[in-house]
Amino acid sequence: DAKTTQPPSMDCAEGRAANLPCNHSTISGNEYVYWYRQIHSQGPQYIIHGLKNNETNEMASLIITEDRKSSTLILPHATLRDTAVYYCIVRDPNFGNEKLTFGTGTRLTIIP
Amino acid sequence: NAGVMQNPRHLVRRRGQEARLRCSPMKGHSHVYWYRQLPEEGLKFMVYLQKENIIDESGMPKERFSAEFPKEGPSILRIQQVVRGDSAAYFCASSPAPVVGAEFFGPGTRLTVL
Repeated sequence: DAKTTQPPSMDCAEGRAANLPCNHSTISGNEYVYWYRQIHSQGPQYIIHGLKNNETNEMASLIITEDRKSSTLILPHATLRDTAVYYCIVRDPNFGNEKLTFGTGTRLTIIP
Repeated sequence: NAGVMQNPRHLVRRRGQEARLRCSPMKGHSHVYWYRQLPEEGLKFMVYLQKENIIDESGMPKERFSAEFPKEGPSILRIQQVVRGDSAAYFCASSPAPVVGAEFFGPGTRLTVL
């Protein structure tokens, strides 16, 4: 899997939008960008994924740059329950290898 | 439909003992994945199983570790002769098909080796 680079930590005020960046400059054409989060003492939770178009679901929005070398996960109205470690992962879903490679992620703290 | 269940949630073993970690996948899920998370690190893939078959064990240590997913019953991750370095959180995930993003993770088993 291609490597990703994320800031180790970020703070965001409650109610504001949290924007989490991810660099994946070596991403290949078939690789998707996936985001997961891990709330303290729990297992990871899938959030969203995309290839090249922006994506939105009930949890978040994913903005991928035109050259696909970076992306931003947006939590539009952060709550205290969004405090977690967020992982950005790139992989080819057609590779036939279903394992996920997690980095160290970004520890997001929502400030009351 | 209950989520992925893991037990025990906490397990304490002395060096040299055996540890058995159980994972009951969600109903209808036949694909199980095991990950290990050392303190302050991200999760590392260990093994991927589909009912009665090991599909990918590229992340499993060559010795002392084994995994199974029998036709009936939970998946078992077994660690023989545990050492202090085995202390970690072990997470299991299950999915109905081998699709990334379709898996659900369990709450994990925290193994402490004294």
